[in-house]
Amino acid sequence: GQQVMQIPQYQHVQEGEDFTTYCNSSTTLSNIQWYKQRPGGHPVFLIQLVKSGEVKKQKRLTFQFGEAKKNSSLHITATQTTDVGTYFCAGGATNKLIFGTGTLLAVQP
Amino acid sequence: DGGITQSPKYLFRKEGQNVTLSCEQNLNHDAMYWYRQDPGQGLRLIYYSQIVNDFQKGDIAEGYSVSREKKESFPLTVTSAQKNPTAFYLCASMRTATSNTEAFFGQGTRLTVV
Repeated sequence: GQQVMQIPQYQHVQEGEDFTTYCNSSTTLSNIQWYKQRPGGHPVFLIQLVKSGEVKKQKRLTFQFGEAKKNSSLHITATQTTDVGTYFCAGGATNKLIFGTGTLLAVQP
Repeated sequence: DGGITQSPKYLFRKEGQNVTLSCEQNLNHDAMYWYRQDPGQGLRLIYYSQIVNDFQKGDIAEGYSVSREKKESFPLTVTSAQKNPTAFYLCASMRTATSNTEAFFGQGTRLTVV
């Protein structure tokens, strides 16, 4: 079946360092969404990318959708302790979202 | 306030018992979804419903059942046939099933079977 993989599974950074998580799909996606789940919480929508090669920014967060629409990345510049959580990508498939395995980000003050 | 509500937040059951998890939304969304979350495994799709009175199996439907008799409600029953039911269960809804809209999640139910 369709799979969406994310790397790394876990990353620990010092506050102020940059962070990137990568998402790869086994098939071409109609769109890619990104969610953040704080510890003990539920996933919350961050952004959606639809076009091939699209890049979107939200303050310190930069999201990119690959040219072939099979991969995506999330980059955080100068991490803060409030960035702690698990970041999921989710690929648009027929009538459903296929979630990636997630990347757990730990930020040390 | 509009939103999606799951209850209860924590649930304990004895092995061999069926248990039903509640999910209600007042967002007037057509599509609803149940995901299971285990440590290090992300979100896995159990069942989904594109519209009332219709639902489809996801990737890990064995041992689970659902119903969609009302647009607002999509309860999930964890049956005794589910071999490893202890997990965090998340319900989500989307405006339509075409997946080009964001998913709204409930707070989740943490089920522990002893």
